Amino acid sequence: GAGVSQSPSNKVTEKGKDVELRCDPISGHTALYWYRQSLGQGLEFLIYFQGNSAPDKSGLPSDRFSAERTGGSVSTLTIQRTQQEDSAVYLCASSPHPSYEQYFGPGTRLTVT
Amino acid sequence: ELKVEQNPLFLSMQEGKNYTIYCNYSTTSDRLYWYRQDPGKSLESLFVLLSNGAVKQEGRLMASLDTKARLSTLHITAAVHDLSATYFCAVGGTASKLTFGTGTRLQVTL
Repeated sequence: GAGVSQSPSNKVTEKGKDVELRCDPISGHTALYWYRQSLGQGLEFLIYFQGNSAPDKSGLPSDRFSAERTGGSVSTLTIQRTQQEDSAVYLCASSPHPSYEQYFGPGTRLTVT
Repeated sequence: ELKVEQNPLFLSMQEGKNYTIYCNYSTTSDRLYWYRQDPGKSLESLFVLLSNGAVKQEGRLMASLDTKARLSTLHITAAVHDLSATYFCAVGGTASKLTFGTGTRLQVTL
């Protein structure tokens, strides 16, 4: 079956611009996660959605970052006023249950110039 | 705060040799995951370990979990070049978010 998909695969933006990253989880998966992978910080948790519950935003690095999940499916991660330190690969993962393994998408490579 | 330490960071080994990657974590958890990442690719799930003493094997890789010692190991038997990749352990914490280790870059030479 189809895996987790993310778009775009690559995004180059100028410092100060806003960007939106999209994630389509595996159908039926109730849990959705965003992570960030960068050379300096490794793999970091950003935000977690589970069903209709309020999201766990504890990993978001600043208030420039926000995310939403519409209809319990597609999620969008928005970064406002991008900074160079936001450059990283943003990974989305989904899971059929919060304790089960997470299936990762291919990621979006964000470069802020 | 949950901390996950993985070692070694880099491992160069010859084909046919055995080696172990270690993953230590700082607070109680009974969920431990191992992932593989090839260059420029995403994370591929290898093992899910959900209880103390759990052992899982797939091909030349075997993972184990000791929750009392807060230690997981990934053992490589008779390495082959195709195993060259970066391996991450990840520990399940509150709200099911994962805390990842630093990764071990494995290079298997002919």
